[in-house]
Amino acid sequence: AQTVTQSQPEMSVQEAETVTLSCTYDTSESNYYLFWYKQPPSRQMILVIRQEAYKQQNATENRFSVNFQKAAKSFSLKISDSQLGDTAMYFCAFILRGANSKLTFGKGITLSVRP
Amino acid sequence: EAGVTQFPSHSVIEKGQTVTLRCDPISGHDNLYWYRRVMGKEIKFLLHFVKESKQDESGMPNNRFLAERTGGTYSTLKVQPAELEDSGVYFCASSRRDFVGNEQFFGPGTRLTVL
Repeated sequence: AQTVTQSQPEMSVQEAETVTLSCTYDTSESNYYLFWYKQPPSRQMILVIRQEAYKQQNATENRFSVNFQKAAKSFSLKISDSQLGDTAMYFCAFILRGANSKLTFGKGITLSVRP
Repeated sequence: EAGVTQFPSHSVIEKGQTVTLRCDPISGHDNLYWYRRVMGKEIKFLLHFVKESKQDESGMPNNRFLAERTGGTYSTLKVQPAELEDSGVYFCASSRRDFVGNEQFFGPGTRLTVL
Protein backbone atom coordinates (compact mmCIF):
# COMPACT_ATOMS: atom_id res chain seq x y z
CA ALA A 1 0.00 0.00 0.00
CA GLN A 2 1.08 3.55 -0.68
CA THR A 3 1.31 6.26 1.96
CA VAL A 4 1.83 10.01 1.71
CA THR A 5 3.10 12.08 4.62
CA GLN A 6 2.86 15.82 5.06
CA SER A 7 4.30 16.50 8.48
CA GLN A 8 3.79 20.26 8.60
CA PRO A 9 0.16 21.14 9.40
CA GLU A 10 0.54 24.81 8.58
CA MET A 11 2.98 27.40 7.32
CA SER A 12 3.04 31.12 6.83
CA VAL A 13 5.01 33.22 4.34
CA GLN A 14 5.37 36.88 3.57
CA GLU A 15 4.03 38.06 0.24
CA ALA A 16 6.70 37.98 -2.52
CA GLU A 17 8.87 35.52 -0.61
CA THR A 18 9.55 31.86 -1.34
CA VAL A 19 8.16 28.93 0.60
CA THR A 20 8.73 25.18 0.39
CA LEU A 21 6.11 22.61 1.38
CA SER A 22 7.36 19.14 2.24
CA CYS A 23 5.98 15.76 1.27
CA THR A 24 7.31 12.24 1.54
CA TYR A 25 5.74 9.07 0.27
CA ASP A 26 6.24 5.35 0.42
CA THR A 27 5.66 2.81 -2.31
CA SER A 28 7.22 -0.34 -3.69
CA GLU A 29 6.09 0.54 -7.20
CA SER A 30 8.27 2.28 -9.76
CA ASN A 31 5.71 3.70 -12.17
CA TYR A 32 3.61 6.46 -10.68
CA TYR A 33 2.70 10.14 -10.64
CA LEU A 34 2.90 12.67 -7.86
CA PHE A 35 0.71 15.74 -7.59
CA TRP A 36 0.25 18.85 -5.58
CA TYR A 37 -3.37 19.98 -5.33
CA LYS A 38 -4.48 23.34 -3.97
CA GLN A 39 -7.78 24.04 -2.25
CA PRO A 40 -8.42 27.75 -1.64
CA PRO A 41 -10.89 28.64 1.12
CA SER A 42 -14.42 27.61 0.13
CA ARG A 43 -13.33 26.69 -3.37
CA GLN A 44 -12.67 23.60 -5.41
CA MET A 45 -9.47 21.63 -5.29
CA ILE A 46 -7.34 22.24 -8.36
CA LEU A 47 -4.18 20.66 -9.68
CA VAL A 48 -1.07 22.77 -9.19
CA ILE A 49 1.65 20.58 -10.60
CA ARG A 50 2.31 17.00 -11.66
CA GLN A 51 5.51 14.94 -11.70
CA GLU A 52 5.99 11.69 -13.57
CA ALA A 53 8.19 9.31 -11.60
CA TYR A 54 10.17 8.14 -14.61
CA LYS A 55 11.23 11.70 -15.47
CA GLN A 56 14.32 12.95 -13.71
CA GLN A 57 13.67 16.57 -14.55
CA ASN A 58 11.72 18.44 -11.90
CA ALA A 59 8.35 19.80 -13.05
CA THR A 60 7.74 23.54 -13.10
CA GLU A 61 4.59 25.59 -13.64
CA ASN A 62 5.27 29.31 -13.59
CA ARG A 63 5.96 30.19 -9.91
CA PHE A 64 5.52 26.59 -8.78
CA SER A 65 8.27 23.99 -8.96
CA VAL A 66 8.99 20.68 -7.32
CA ASN A 67 12.07 19.02 -5.93
CA PHE A 68 11.55 15.35 -6.73
CA GLN A 69 14.01 12.99 -5.05
CA LYS A 70 12.94 9.51 -6.14
CA ALA A 71 15.46 7.57 -4.08
CA ALA A 72 14.54 9.49 -0.97
CA LYS A 73 10.83 9.36 -1.86
CA SER A 74 10.55 13.07 -1.35
CA PHE A 75 8.41 15.51 -3.32
CA SER A 76 8.49 19.09 -2.10
CA LEU A 77 6.70 22.07 -3.63
CA LYS A 78 8.40 25.44 -3.93
CA ILE A 79 6.29 28.54 -4.41
CA SER A 80 8.27 31.56 -5.56
CA ASP A 81 7.13 35.16 -5.30
CA SER A 82 4.22 34.15 -3.05
CA GLN A 83 0.95 35.94 -3.71
CA LEU A 84 -2.10 36.47 -1.50
CA GLY A 85 -4.04 34.16 -3.81
CA ASP A 86 -1.71 31.32 -2.89
CA THR A 87 -3.36 31.15 0.52
CA ALA A 88 -4.93 27.70 0.53
CA MET A 89 -4.69 24.16 1.75
CA TYR A 90 -2.14 22.16 -0.25
CA PHE A 91 -2.37 18.41 -0.64
CA CYS A 92 0.36 16.13 -1.84
CA ALA A 93 -0.98 13.07 -3.66
CA PHE A 94 0.24 9.87 -5.26
CA ILE A 95 -1.24 7.72 -7.99
CA LEU A 96 -0.05 4.59 -9.73
CA ARG A 97 0.34 4.95 -13.47
CA GLY A 98 -2.73 3.72 -15.29
CA ALA A 99 -6.13 5.00 -16.26
CA ASN A 100 -8.06 3.38 -13.45
CA SER A 101 -6.24 4.25 -10.30
CA LYS A 102 -7.10 6.07 -7.11
CA LEU A 103 -5.30 8.97 -5.47
CA THR A 104 -3.60 8.60 -2.11
CA PHE A 105 -3.39 11.92 -0.27
CA GLY A 106 -1.40 13.40 2.56
CA LYS A 107 -3.15 15.26 5.38
CA GLY A 108 -2.57 18.61 3.74
CA ILE A 109 -0.88 21.78 4.83
CA THR A 110 -2.52 25.14 5.38
CA LEU A 111 -0.46 27.91 3.79
CA SER A 112 -1.13 31.52 4.72
CA VAL A 113 0.43 34.32 2.70
CA ARG A 114 0.80 37.53 4.75
CA PRO A 115 0.50 40.93 3.06
CA GLU B 1 -16.58 23.20 -20.14
CA ALA B 2 -18.50 22.86 -16.89
CA GLY B 3 -16.59 21.42 -13.97
CA VAL B 4 -17.57 18.70 -11.55
CA THR B 5 -20.59 19.73 -9.53
CA GLN B 6 -21.89 18.35 -6.25
CA PHE B 7 -25.16 18.76 -4.44
CA PRO B 8 -25.87 19.73 -1.74
CA SER B 9 -22.94 21.85 -0.62
CA HIS B 10 -23.86 21.30 3.01
CA SER B 11 -26.09 18.80 4.79
CA VAL B 12 -26.90 18.58 8.48
CA ILE B 13 -28.81 15.52 9.59
CA GLU B 14 -29.61 13.61 12.76
CA LYS B 15 -28.01 10.30 13.54
CA GLY B 16 -30.10 7.53 12.03
CA GLN B 17 -31.40 9.59 9.14
CA THR B 18 -30.63 9.04 5.48
CA VAL B 19 -28.74 11.40 3.21
CA THR B 20 -28.07 11.22 -0.51
CA LEU B 21 -25.21 13.11 -2.10
CA ARG B 22 -25.07 13.76 -5.80
CA CYS B 23 -22.15 14.27 -8.16
CA ASP B 24 -22.26 15.38 -11.78
CA PRO B 25 -18.91 14.71 -13.48
CA ILE B 26 -17.45 16.57 -16.40
CA SER B 27 -19.25 15.52 -19.56
CA GLY B 28 -17.46 12.69 -21.31
CA HIS B 29 -15.50 11.57 -18.26
CA ASP B 30 -15.97 7.84 -17.82
CA ASN B 31 -14.08 7.67 -14.52
CA LEU B 32 -15.87 8.92 -11.44
CA TYR B 33 -14.40 8.76 -7.93
CA TRP B 34 -15.73 9.43 -4.45
CA TYR B 35 -13.39 10.52 -1.66
CA ARG B 36 -14.01 11.60 1.92
CA ARG B 37 -12.10 13.82 4.31
CA VAL B 38 -12.84 13.48 7.99
CA MET B 39 -11.75 16.51 10.03
CA GLY B 40 -7.99 16.62 10.45
CA LYS B 41 -7.36 13.45 8.51
CA GLU B 42 -6.29 12.56 5.00
CA ILE B 43 -8.64 12.57 2.05
CA LYS B 44 -9.51 8.91 1.66
CA PHE B 45 -10.67 7.06 -1.40
CA LEU B 46 -14.13 5.51 -1.22
CA LEU B 47 -14.87 4.07 -4.64
CA HIS B 48 -14.36 4.34 -8.37
CA PHE B 49 -16.81 3.96 -11.24
CA VAL B 50 -15.94 3.36 -14.87
CA LYS B 51 -19.11 4.41 -16.63
CA GLU B 52 -21.86 2.67 -14.66
CA SER B 53 -19.68 -0.16 -13.31
CA LYS B 54 -18.00 -0.16 -9.91
CA GLN B 55 -14.30 -0.64 -10.65
CA ASP B 56 -13.05 -0.45 -7.08
CA GLU B 57 -15.12 -0.05 -3.92
CA SER B 58 -12.39 -1.07 -1.49
CA GLY B 59 -12.62 2.22 0.39
CA MET B 60 -16.31 2.04 1.28
CA PRO B 61 -16.48 2.02 5.10
CA ASN B 62 -19.40 -0.36 5.52
CA ASN B 63 -22.72 -1.41 4.05
CA ARG B 64 -24.45 1.75 5.24
CA PHE B 65 -22.91 3.42 2.18
CA LEU B 66 -24.41 2.78 -1.24
CA ALA B 67 -23.14 4.37 -4.43
CA GLU B 68 -24.80 4.27 -7.81
CA ARG B 69 -24.11 5.64 -11.24
CA THR B 70 -27.07 4.82 -13.38
CA GLY B 71 -26.49 5.34 -17.07
CA GLY B 72 -22.89 6.23 -16.52
CA THR B 73 -23.59 9.91 -15.98
CA TYR B 74 -24.19 11.38 -12.52
CA SER B 75 -23.58 9.43 -9.35
CA THR B 76 -25.26 9.32 -5.97
CA LEU B 77 -23.84 8.28 -2.63
CA LYS B 78 -26.41 7.33 -0.03
CA VAL B 79 -25.69 6.95 3.66
CA GLN B 80 -28.36 5.00 5.52
CA PRO B 81 -28.58 5.17 8.48
CA ALA B 82 -26.06 7.95 9.13
CA GLU B 83 -23.75 7.73 12.15
CA LEU B 84 -21.74 10.45 13.88
CA GLU B 85 -18.47 9.20 12.38
CA ASP B 86 -19.82 9.76 8.87
CA SER B 87 -19.37 13.51 9.28
CA GLY B 88 -16.84 14.99 6.91
CA VAL B 89 -16.45 16.43 3.45
CA TYR B 90 -17.31 14.15 0.56
CA PHE B 91 -15.52 14.91 -2.68
CA CYS B 92 -16.31 13.67 -6.13
CA ALA B 93 -13.76 13.64 -8.94
CA SER B 94 -13.81 12.62 -12.57
CA SER B 95 -11.29 11.88 -15.27
CA ARG B 96 -11.14 10.80 -18.86
CA ARG B 97 -10.94 7.12 -19.72
CA ASP B 98 -7.80 7.47 -21.81
CA PHE B 99 -4.51 7.96 -20.09
CA VAL B 100 -3.85 11.67 -19.64
CA GLY B 101 -1.48 11.69 -16.71
CA ASN B 102 -4.23 10.50 -14.43
CA GLU B 103 -5.42 14.01 -13.62
CA GLN B 104 -8.63 13.95 -11.67
CA PHE B 105 -10.88 17.00 -11.58
CA PHE B 106 -12.56 17.62 -8.28
CA GLY B 107 -15.93 19.01 -7.28
CA PRO B 108 -16.34 21.50 -4.43
CA GLY B 109 -17.37 18.79 -1.99
CA THR B 110 -20.41 18.19 0.21
CA ARG B 111 -19.92 18.93 3.88
CA LEU B 112 -21.94 16.40 5.86
CA THR B 113 -22.61 16.93 9.55
CA VAL B 114 -24.31 14.17 11.51
CA LEU B 115 -25.64 15.29 14.90
